[in-house]
Amino acid sequence: GAGVSQTPSNKVTEKGKYVELRCDPISGHTALYWYRQSLGQGPEFLIYFQGTGAADDSGLPNDRFFAVRPEGSVSTLKIQRTERGDSAVYLCASSPTSGGTWGQTQYFGPGTRLLVL
Amino acid sequence: QQQVKQSPQSLIVQKGGISIINCAYENTAFDYFPWYQQFPGKGPALLIAIRPDVSEKKEGRFTISFNKSAKQFSLHIMDSQPGDSATYFCAASRGHLTGGGNKLTFGTGTQLKVEL
Repeated sequence: GAGVSQTPSNKVTEKGKYVELRCDPISGHTALYWYRQSLGQGPEFLIYFQGTGAADDSGLPNDRFFAVRPEGSVSTLKIQRTERGDSAVYLCASSPTSGGTWGQTQYFGPGTRLLVL
Repeated sequence: QQQVKQSPQSLIVQKGGISIINCAYENTAFDYFPWYQQFPGKGPALLIAIRPDVSEKKEGRFTISFNKSAKQFSLHIMDSQPGDSATYFCAASRGHLTGGGNKLTFGTGTQLKVEL
């Protein structure tokens, strides 16, 4: 079965440009998470969806960042007016659900490496 | 605020030796403690996980030891192999029922190198 896929694998853009990063979760997984991983650091939570709605967007660094999941499957992370500090690997993960009494395994995609020049 | 602290930053172990990585957490509401393995250019992959009502969990060569009172947990890799060379992350989360949504808080990572 297919795992989590992310496109593009690499994205180079110029400061001030708009970018979209796509995540295709594992089929049937209702929960979808976005994380950002800077060089030499652990992933940091950005936002998660349960179904179509953003259940928690507390990790988004500012209003330049936005994410959608209109049909409860594919998600797109959108970054406006990119800055050099946005350069990082953006990881997407999915799990069967975000609910339950304790943790559900999150399956990560390979990430999109964003470089802002 | 770093809620999960991980050490050491890097570790070199001889083939067949034991690799030990330690983590400490601050938020007592965390109820799930996974370890992830990450190879260069890949996303993290779940290795093993534990819940706080258990003090130890073993899967093959990998063991998690958990000390709830000290708010610490560790990963032990027995009979370490060159193929284990990767970056390891501890993490913690709160489940849905406590409002956490299972979003993961990661440590800073440990680069493990297993030498022949």
